[in-house]
Amino acid sequence: GQQVMQIPQYQHVQEGEDFTTYCNSSTTLSNIQWYKQRPGGHPVFLIQLVKSGEVKKQKRLTFQFGEAKKNSSLHITATQTTDVGTYFCAGRLRSSASKIIFGSGTRLSIRP
Amino acid sequence: ETGVTQTPRHLVMGMTNKKSLKCEQHLGHNAMYWYKQSAKKPLELMFVYNFKEQTENNSVPSRFSPECPNSSHLFLHLHTLQPEDSALYLCASSQDLGRGLTDTQYFGPGTRLTVL
Repeated sequence: GQQVMQIPQYQHVQEGEDFTTYCNSSTTLSNIQWYKQRPGGHPVFLIQLVKSGEVKKQKRLTFQFGEAKKNSSLHITATQTTDVGTYFCAGRLRSSASKIIFGSGTRLSIRP
Repeated sequence: ETGVTQTPRHLVMGMTNKKSLKCEQHLGHNAMYWYKQSAKKPLELMFVYNFKEQTENNSVPSRFSPECPNSSHLFLHLHTLQPEDSALYLCASSQDLGRGLTDTQYFGPGTRLTVL
């Protein structure tokens, strides 16, 4: 079936180090969204990418959507303790607007 | 607060009980979603409603029965659940199912369900 693979599953970094999580879909996506879930919280929308090759930035966060619209990445520069949480990508299938597939998430923890 | 509320926040039920989860959104959205979040598993989309019509049933067992009486309310009726159904059940809404920013999902806080 259709899948969105996300790696790594966990990442433990020193505060100030960079962090990257990657998503790869088995099928072409209409768009991809990124969400952050703090421990004990619920997913909160970060950004949406729609265009092939699109790159968007939010302060220290950089989001990319692949040329084939099948992969995406989130890069955080100089992590801070407030970045702790699980980052999910969510792909909406081109074939069905109702079909949304979440990646398994990358849990980021930070050593102060 | 995202404008999406869920009740109850915690629920413990036996396998023979019948209970319902409620979701309400105050955002004027037309699409609503139920997700299941288990430990060590991705968020699993269960059901999608758009303008009160079910548009997605992701092979969910019949012991989970959704109901969407209007665009602001979504219920998940539970009966004869199994212990493996214990999870966080998240409701979300979006303006619609469009492919632009209108399909951004706003999540409620979830209901933590434990089935004994």
